[in-house]
Order: sequence, then C-alpha cells, then structure tokens
Amino acid sequence: GDSVTQMEGPVTLSEEAFLTINCTYTATGYPSLFWYVQYPGEGLQLLLKATKADDKGSNKGFEATYRKETTSFHLEKGSVQVSDSAVYFCALRLDYKLSFGAGTTVTVRA
Amino acid sequence: NAGVMQNPRHLVRRRGQEARLRCSPMKGHSHVYWYRQLPEEGLKFMVYLQKENIIDESGMPKERFSAEFPKEGPSILRIQQVVRGDSAAYFCASTSMDPGTGAVVSGNTIYFGEGSWLTVV
Repeated sequence: GDSVTQMEGPVTLSEEAFLTINCTYTATGYPSLFWYVQYPGEGLQLLLKATKADDKGSNKGFEATYRKETTSFHLEKGSVQVSDSAVYFCALRLDYKLSFGAGTTVTVRA
Repeated sequence: NAGVMQNPRHLVRRRGQEARLRCSPMKGHSHVYWYRQLPEEGLKFMVYLQKENIIDESGMPKERFSAEFPKEGPSILRIQQVVRGDSAAYFCASTSMDPGTGAVVSGNTIYFGEGSWLTVV
C-alpha cells in the first residue's frame, strides 16, 4: 500500500544550523506530497506542498522538492530558529486519502 | 473564513462512559476526515465522510467507534464505553472538491482542526 517513511528523531540543533528531514514514499500512482508541522499542544498546519514531479514547495524558509526518481520529498531549512521547534510530518495524498509518516521531533536550542 | 472547528478541545471521561467529538469543516468543504494520534505516534486515518455518507471507514476500530456527518450540523465521532487505550488526540480535517466536476483533487490541501484531546481515567 501507499506509505511514507521519514527520518526518525528526535533531532536537536543549535540556532542558525541547517536542517534536513528525509522523507521517502511508496505509492501506486502519482501522489501529491505535503509537509505538515505540529507545535506543542496544537493541531497540524500545512507547511508546504508539491503536486507533481520536480515541483518545489516553499514556505517560511523551508523547502522541499518532489523527486520522482528517488521517490523523495526531503525538507530543508538553511538557518533554523528556536521557534521552529516542533514535530514535522511528511504526508502523501492519492485521491482522497492522506497518509502520514511517523513524524520527526525537532528541537532548536538558542 | 473560519478554519476547521473542533470541540471540545479537551475531554476527560471515566472508563465506560461515552465520548462525543464534534467537527465543523471549513466553509465550502463537504468532506470530512477523522484521524487519531496516539501519544508519541503519528496520525492514523480513521474515517472519511461526506454529508450523510461514509465513504471509507477502513481505519475505524470495529467496535465502540462510529462517525457521522449529517445533512445539517457538525460531524460527530462517537466512542462508546471508552477505555484507557482510547486516550489520544483526535483530529478532524476537511477538503474541497473540484467545483466543476465534484471530483476529488489530490493536490487540494486538507486542512486540520486543532484537535480534541481525550483522556480516559
């Protein structure tokens, strides 16, 4: 079935460090890909998305490129801030169903 | 434009009681999802509904759990005779269809509510 595998955490970084969270997927068709972020005690917010191969999603300094050849959608940010501390979820959507990875907890220290 | 609204945000129930979680989708959205997030885990799909119709309930536990989305009013996730293992965050989400064809569009964003945290004591 369709599934998402993302890098296990937790990840701890210093402010202004470079962040990468790996995400790969398995799908029978051509999914749309998403990154959601969950801050402590809150719901999920859409961070960025890409709907077809080679699309790049970007928002708030985060970027991810839909790579069909490697079935990946890695999340990157060049310089993290303390406020980026959260759980990040990679997800794929085929038709109506949205399937999530396990989530990666990121902690940024001042 | 209000987002997906869930209530209550926090609910405490004793074992054996019933829990009812409500969700109002975003304006213009006629399809609703329910997901469950167990402590320290990711989100698991439970059910997908449109008004007056359950489209996919493959993620719902076979017993004690039910969901509805009536013609009028919010979607309801109902858990009967709760047990401690039901303690989790329950998220509702909604999405839109293509206005011309009424078809699902994979690229359309699914918007989530802030969740209902159920604690069973």
